[in-house]
Amino acid sequence: KQEVTQIPAALSVPEGENLVLNCSFTDSAIYNLQWFRQDPGKGLTSLLLIQSSQREQTSGRLNASLDKSSGRSTLYIAASQPGDSATYLCAVIHTGGGADGLTFGKGTHLIIQP
Amino acid sequence: ETGVTQTPRHLVMGMTNKKSLKCEQHLGHNAMYWYKQSAKKPLELMFVYSLEERVENNSVPSRFSPECPNSSHLFLHLHTLQPEDSALYLCASSQVQGSLWAFFGQGTRLTVV
Repeated sequence: KQEVTQIPAALSVPEGENLVLNCSFTDSAIYNLQWFRQDPGKGLTSLLLIQSSQREQTSGRLNASLDKSSGRSTLYIAASQPGDSATYLCAVIHTGGGADGLTFGKGTHLIIQP
Repeated sequence: ETGVTQTPRHLVMGMTNKKSLKCEQHLGHNAMYWYKQSAKKPLELMFVYSLEERVENNSVPSRFSPECPNSSHLFLHLHTLQPEDSALYLCASSQVQGSLWAFFGQGTRLTVV
């Protein structure tokens, strides 16, 4: 059974710092990996999607990398801002067809201090 | 706005009540999902529908009953729930099952009293 782990569970840093969020998964047979953002009491917003054949994706100040063989992904946030404060979730979809939903980690709760 | 709309946003129900959650998307997506988010636990997949056919039920108790009348609408019917069912219920859709971006609704915050 696929398990997704996110480290750290919580992170608080001053505004302007660059930071890295980590995600690991136990079954490397994934189809893709997604990073989401969740604001308190809200739904999820997709940030980046990395196909299994890709190594990284970039969107603005965000960069996500994927090392499928080692079962790891990182989300890099450059020049953090207070508006980046949220919970960041990593999720994977398996290969093999059939029914597929996303398997999520518990998330990293990020606070950017002004 | 992600294009996926859930109603109601908040719901309080007694253990003997029957209620329904609604999800709607007009993105032209063919797959829709129900997820449960409990405090301090990972998001859990509950049901998957692809082209209006249920393709997965992750051992969800029968007190949760999904319905997908067409590709744009998804319901979750609730009956005789327990307090531990209190959670945020999220609906999502994707263009095809399991392969592309998943778009999530804002969720329904359910409290069972």
